[in-house]
Amino acid sequence: EVQLLESGGGLVQPGGSLRLSCVASGFTFSSYAMSWVRQAPGKGLEWVSTIIGSGGSTFYADSVRGRFTISRDNSKNTLYLQMNSLRAEDTALYYCAKRISGAGTAYYFDYWGQGTLVTVSS
Amino acid sequence: QTVVTQEPSFSVSPGGTVTLTCGLSSGSVSTSYYPSWYQQTPGQAPRTLIYSTDIRSSGVPDRFSGSILGNKAALTITGAQADDECDYYCVLYLGGGISVFGGGTQLTVL
Repeated sequence: EVQLLESGGGLVQPGGSLRLSCVASGFTFSSYAMSWVRQAPGKGLEWVSTIIGSGGSTFYADSVRGRFTISRDNSKNTLYLQMNSLRAEDTALYYCAKRISGAGTAYYFDYWGQGTLVTVSS
Repeated sequence: QTVVTQEPSFSVSPGGTVTLTCGLSSGSVSTSYYPSWYQQTPGQAPRTLIYSTDIRSSGVPDRFSGSILGNKAALTITGAQADDECDYYCVLYLGGGISVFGGGTQLTVL
């Protein structure tokens, strides 16, 4: 059974930093791309970032590029999101999602964690 | 900037059929965008319904189907049930590792 467990959320002041983690189990972690998707309170879902299985390529939404860094430790089956220069508009529930990136066959999120809440406020 | 459009809200009668759509602010949606659909009930994580336009995810009932209708991706729910009342999101893959969510459709069953 695939399980994704996020942690690391909390209250941080504007301009501050936070690192989110997502521990994965139930599949061969290193074989799959992983993503972060966020949802501001009462708002829709927003794709944030994706990293391929090897960690060799990363992709970011314009809204976070240059401030957030996605990474992974395949030896620990763990995905990370380092968030710097946080803004009030980064306040959201951050979901970790397993990503299917099929080289021209399929691109979608197939499993989701329950999320970790990040609040940026003074 | 690419904007993915969805109806903000939709209503369907119990047992009825509803089609939600997913479009682009400029241009047409095709299978090359690998449209996928997600269902989210309040307080819960999203659930994957449809991927690659029309392939149902494991365990998804065949009341849910995906297609391309005209210049948009579409999610059709037949025989709507009370527990189908929730939010539905589409995602389009733009290439280069970039995905964009639509704004979501809040479906009411009444």
